[in-house]
Amino acid sequence: GENVEQHPSTLSVQEGDSAVIKCTYSDSASNYFPWYKQELGKRPQLIIDIRSNVGEKKDQRIAVTLNKTAKHFSLHITETQPEDSAVYFCAPNSGGYQKVTFGTGTKLQVIP
Amino acid sequence: EPEVTQTPSHQVTQMGQEVILRCVPISNHLYFYWYRQILGQKVEFLVSFYNNEISEKSEIFDDQFSVERPDGSNFTLKIRSTKLEDSAMYFCASRIGTLNTGELFFGEGSRLTVL
Repeated sequence: GENVEQHPSTLSVQEGDSAVIKCTYSDSASNYFPWYKQELGKRPQLIIDIRSNVGEKKDQRIAVTLNKTAKHFSLHITETQPEDSAVYFCAPNSGGYQKVTFGTGTKLQVIP
Repeated sequence: EPEVTQTPSHQVTQMGQEVILRCVPISNHLYFYWYRQILGQKVEFLVSFYNNEISEKSEIFDDQFSVERPDGSNFTLKIRSTKLEDSAMYFCASRIGTLNTGELFFGEGSRLTVL
């Protein structure tokens, strides 16, 4: 099955600094690469996604970059704010009805 | 905005009892999922469901678990003979199924506590 790992598992940054989280996957059939944010006690929610025909996508302070050859994609958050503190999960998949495996998760703490 | 809804939000049960967790996916979505999240851990896939049958299931989803879509709107997860280690948050999710988006929409979750 799909092996999905994230690094680092925890990340602490000062408010205003940048944060980068990397997701590596094993299934070469994956063509949809989302990042979900899960605040404490809440459900996971999509924050940004990218398809395999695109190398980078940006939405205000967040961006995702994809290296399909190397089978990894990364979440970039610039100018971090305390409300960015959460657990972030990647979930690469092929978009069909098959299972969607979530990554191991990265707990981001933004220190005011 | 349409949402996935789950009931109950919290259920406490005695070990060995059966529980049913209910979900109403977004109405035009075609693919449905159950996930489990033990406190502080990753979101674990349990089962996917499409066209009124299970499309894939994980090793966790053994004979103790079953899913059903009894009436075209509800999507239920039944856990028989609950064990202490079944205590977790259970999330239902759905997605539309077109090629343009693979976004999973999650419900707020059902927290199961087995005593």
